[in-house]
Amino acid sequence: DQQVKQNSPSLSVQEGRISILNCDYTNSMFDYFLWYKKYPAEGPTFLISISSIKDKNEDGRFTVFLNKSAKHLSLHIVPSQPGDSAVYFCAARARYNAGNMLTFGGGTRLMVKP
Amino acid sequence: DTEVTQTPKHLVMGMTNKKSLKCEQHMGHRAMYWYKQKAKKPPELMFVYSYEKLSINESVPSRFSPECPNSSLLNLHLHALQPEDSALYLCASSQVRLSPGELFFGEGSRLTVL
Repeated sequence: DQQVKQNSPSLSVQEGRISILNCDYTNSMFDYFLWYKKYPAEGPTFLISISSIKDKNEDGRFTVFLNKSAKHLSLHIVPSQPGDSAVYFCAARARYNAGNMLTFGGGTRLMVKP
Repeated sequence: DTEVTQTPKHLVMGMTNKKSLKCEQHMGHRAMYWYKQKAKKPPELMFVYSYEKLSINESVPSRFSPECPNSSLLNLHLHALQPEDSALYLCASSQVRLSPGELFFGEGSRLTVL
């Protein structure tokens, strides 16, 4: 049973437009949500996070929105650039976990076309 | 230094071999992790070490044996693996329990079991 789901395996967007990546979760004990970006042959790199007590966090071109009642979060990238082309993983941390163990979604491959 | 270094980058081994994957970080992180990632799947947690002690073992078969010799090093000893164990093995580190709690990943060790 996947606790974190990214229902779109891929997304194609034109350069300069907005990219919206979606993520749904089922575990109400998650207290932190993170987005990671992964290029081929590299490990995932942290992008942006949001605490469950907030509904929005913004960092430059990246904004994450959290809708707790819907158990849904989304990552907005504006404007999208070709260098943003990568696989994006949504991840969540449960407040009862040791350390910072994360549960990952299946990933969405973003392709930004010039 | 914000790097997590993993060696080797690639490893091919037979089912009767014994090999080890190594991971090193010098960020002062006291939590270290092993994740396994199969193609087109999200990273799956295997082990968590907090303060050099094993705190989480996600029901990983005993043919995988983790070791944390000190706060900077994490090993994964491999013995009698199966072809289905072929995957990308990711090491990560983090603060033990601070927000936002992002993990820093290495580039991974790609393992092929023949």
